[in-house]
Amino acid sequence: AQSVSQHNHHVILSEAASLELGCNYSYGGTVNLFWYVQYPGQHLQLLLKYFSGDPLVKGIKGFEAEFIKSKFSFNLRKPSVQWSDTAEYFCAVKPVGYNKLIFGAGTRLAVHP
Amino acid sequence: DTGVSQDPRHKITKRGQNVTFRCDPISEHNRLYWYRQTLGQGPEFLTYFQNEAQLEKSRLLSDRFSAERPKGSFSTLEIQRTEQGDSAMYLCASSAVGQSLSPLHFGNGTRLTVT
Repeated sequence: AQSVSQHNHHVILSEAASLELGCNYSYGGTVNLFWYVQYPGQHLQLLLKYFSGDPLVKGIKGFEAEFIKSKFSFNLRKPSVQWSDTAEYFCAVKPVGYNKLIFGAGTRLAVHP
Repeated sequence: DTGVSQDPRHKITKRGQNVTFRCDPISEHNRLYWYRQTLGQGPEFLTYFQNEAQLEKSRLLSDRFSAERPKGSFSTLEIQRTEQGDSAMYLCASSAVGQSLSPLHFGNGTRLTVT
């Protein structure tokens, strides 16, 4: 069965530190990839997505992610985090031909000023 | 775009009672999804509709769960004879089939507590 693994459940950073959140998936076919963010008290929002083409995708608020097909990975990065990035981040995969997203367990990020 | 709306935001019920949740998707979206999220986990797929047709149901959706989407607009999710294990956040999402790269738009969820 398809699954998504997020390596870190909790990450604590100071402002201006660099961020990288790991995401690996298990599926041998073509996939669409997503990162969603959930700020405290808010609904899940799309941060960025990869469908095809350039494996380095840029999203909102300075986030980017790189799809490495050989590693089945889609890691999220931001060079300098802000306190307002405190949130829970979810990686999700949609195998092409399927009609549902499969989510990882999420990574809770706390950024200290 | 008024977003996906879910009602109620919170529901506390006693074990054995029936509950029903409502989701109003973004108006032009023809796909509607239900997910369930428990503490420390990501959302888990339950079911989805394209217009009024329920096209897929997860094995997580026991026979106590039923979802409908009459007329292809709003949807309801009913849980009969609730159990404590049903306590979770129930999320609704919608998307537009036919539009390339259409992601899921989520509502704020309904938090169910079964006592």
